[in-house]
Parts: sequence; structure tokens; C-alpha cells
Amino acid sequence: EAGVAQSPRYKIIEKRQSVAFWCNPISGHATLYWYQQILGQGPKLLIQFQNNGVVDDSQLPKDRFSAERLKGVDSTLKIQPAKLEDSAVYLCASSLGQLAGRYNEQFFGPGTRLTVL
Amino acid sequence: SQQGEEDPQALSIQEGENATMNCSYKTSINNLQWYRQNSGRGLVHLILIRSNEREKHSGRLRVTLDTSKKSSSLLITASRAADTASYFCATALTGGFKTIFGAGTRLFVKA
Repeated sequence: EAGVAQSPRYKIIEKRQSVAFWCNPISGHATLYWYQQILGQGPKLLIQFQNNGVVDDSQLPKDRFSAERLKGVDSTLKIQPAKLEDSAVYLCASSLGQLAGRYNEQFFGPGTRLTVL
Repeated sequence: SQQGEEDPQALSIQEGENATMNCSYKTSINNLQWYRQNSGRGLVHLILIRSNEREKHSGRLRVTLDTSKKSSSLLITASRAADTASYFCATALTGGFKTIFGAGTRLFVKA
């Protein structure tokens, strides 16, 4: 079974530039997550999709971050404009789905390491 | 502070010893999950324990959950150098869909 795919693996940009990350979840997984992981910290949930609808985006800095999951499969996360503090690893994960009272294990992609200069 | 907090922040042991990590959380949960992260394999799910369970085993892993104390522990028995990694607890909150990760315990197993 193919895992969660992410691209690019590494990205270096200057502050105020824009950047986009792409994620392809495991086939059949309804739930897709984007996390931000700053060095030395645990992953912080930015946004969670159930199919193509947003379930939670309470920690997404909406003035600069946006995400979409068209057709309920692939997803893109965009940052515009980037700030120095956005330097982190951006992880995409997917799971089978979350029905009321049920939670599934999450499968993570390799992440995109973003450096903002 | 975060919903899940691991203790200790870092742990260094000899190969063959047991390693115990703890996780405390604040609000009611549906389940608690443990993940491992190392540079080679990224973030990987280890074990999930539901709120109505008290103990689960998986190979050399043993997880306990005490919902009255809002805490969980992960025991790795007979540790190996390959167990060197960061270990995170993730709590799935009751009544919602969010899973929140703690800051992690960094385990170093010396050969």
C-alpha cells in the first residue's frame, strides 16, 4: 500500500514570498490533516478535512495560510506571505475517517521542511 | 499549555533496559495514541488505547491509561538502539474531531 506522499521535501524562500505544499493521502482515506512541527516541538494541527469539507481550522493563521482539498483527495497548503516564524516541517497525514465517537490512526507523510530567510 | 504533556522531556538508557514515558492531559478524551518519530521513518503510529481500556500491549510496548488521573504511560521493554526516537502522545478529544499532540519525550538508547 502506498503511503502519504508530499512534495516538495525541502523549500527555502525569503520572507514575504509565497509557497505551496502538496499532499496525496492514502487511497480511500476520508480524513486529511495538515500539521506544523517546529523544531523540538510536537506537531500542531493546522487544518483537518473530512472528504472535501473542513472539520477544524481553529489554529490556521487565516490571514496568511490557506488550504484546500478539491474532490476530497489531494490537498494543497499555501502560505502567502511567509514570515520567519513559519520555518518548520509541514506534515500531512490521513486516516480512514472519523465517525462520531470513532477515531482512526493517522498515517503521516515524510513532511516538507520549510526554511524562511 | 498543551493538552498532552509528556514526561520526561528526555531519557537516556542502556540497551536492554526498560524505558517508561508518561503523558498527562487536561480534558476528557475518546482515545489516546502514541507515536514515534525518528529521522529515518518519520512519524509512525504505535498504539491506540480507548477511554474504556486500561492497558494494551503490542510487542515490546505496553500502554496504560488512567482516566481518573488523566494520564497514560508507555513502557518499552528490552530497549534497542533502534528505539532511539521522539515519542509523542496524542489525545483525541471527546465530542469533537481534534487530535492534539504533546511536545514529546526524546529517548536515546545507548548500545
